[in-house]
Amino acid sequence: GENVEQHPSTLSVQEGDSAVIKCTYSDSASNYFPWYKQELGKGPQLIIDIRSNVGEKKDQRIAVTLNKTAKHFSLHITETQPEDSAVYFCAASSSGYSTLTFGKGTMLLVSP
Amino acid sequence: GAVVSQHPSRVICKSGTSVKIECRSLDFQATTMFWYRQFPKQSLMLMATSNEGSKATYEQGVEKDKFLINHASLTLSTLTVTSAHPEDSSFYICSARKGPNEQYFGPGTRLTVT
Repeated sequence: GENVEQHPSTLSVQEGDSAVIKCTYSDSASNYFPWYKQELGKGPQLIIDIRSNVGEKKDQRIAVTLNKTAKHFSLHITETQPEDSAVYFCAASSSGYSTLTFGKGTMLLVSP
Repeated sequence: GAVVSQHPSRVICKSGTSVKIECRSLDFQATTMFWYRQFPKQSLMLMATSNEGSKATYEQGVEKDKFLINHASLTLSTLTVTSAHPEDSSFYICSARKGPNEQYFGPGTRLTVT
């Protein structure tokens, strides 16, 4: 089955800096890669996703890049703000209607 | 948008009793919903896949007789924890699938069994 590795497990940055979280996946059939943000005591919130026919996707301060050959994808957050502090999870799934496999999560702390 | 609600948000029950958690997709229909369990500082663990009008598919190691899932409509799935014990205390989160891939999560239910 699919295996998703996520690094780093914790990431501390200063407000205004950029943050990058990386994930690798094992199943070359995977073609959908979402990122979720989870605040303490809440459910995960889908913040951005990318499909295998696209190499990069941006939404304001967040972007995701995908390298299918290397089987890795990354989340980039620019101009970080304290409210970006949360746990971020990457995930992967293969063909439509299959389940998501999650990474172990990255705790991002943005200090003012 | 894609909004998923869960009720209750918190529940405390005595050991040996049962508790039901509801998951609703508020602005879309979901033929498939998922139930996850999350321990502190850990990732999401898929418990089961709930399909409208059919039996749920449970992940390996999840007791189907203990965690009863019903998906009676395109907007509602329920998880019933039967004969709850303290080790069942956890954060339970549902998600609903919109389209072939996107999953939208509920806010979670904190279950404490005393």
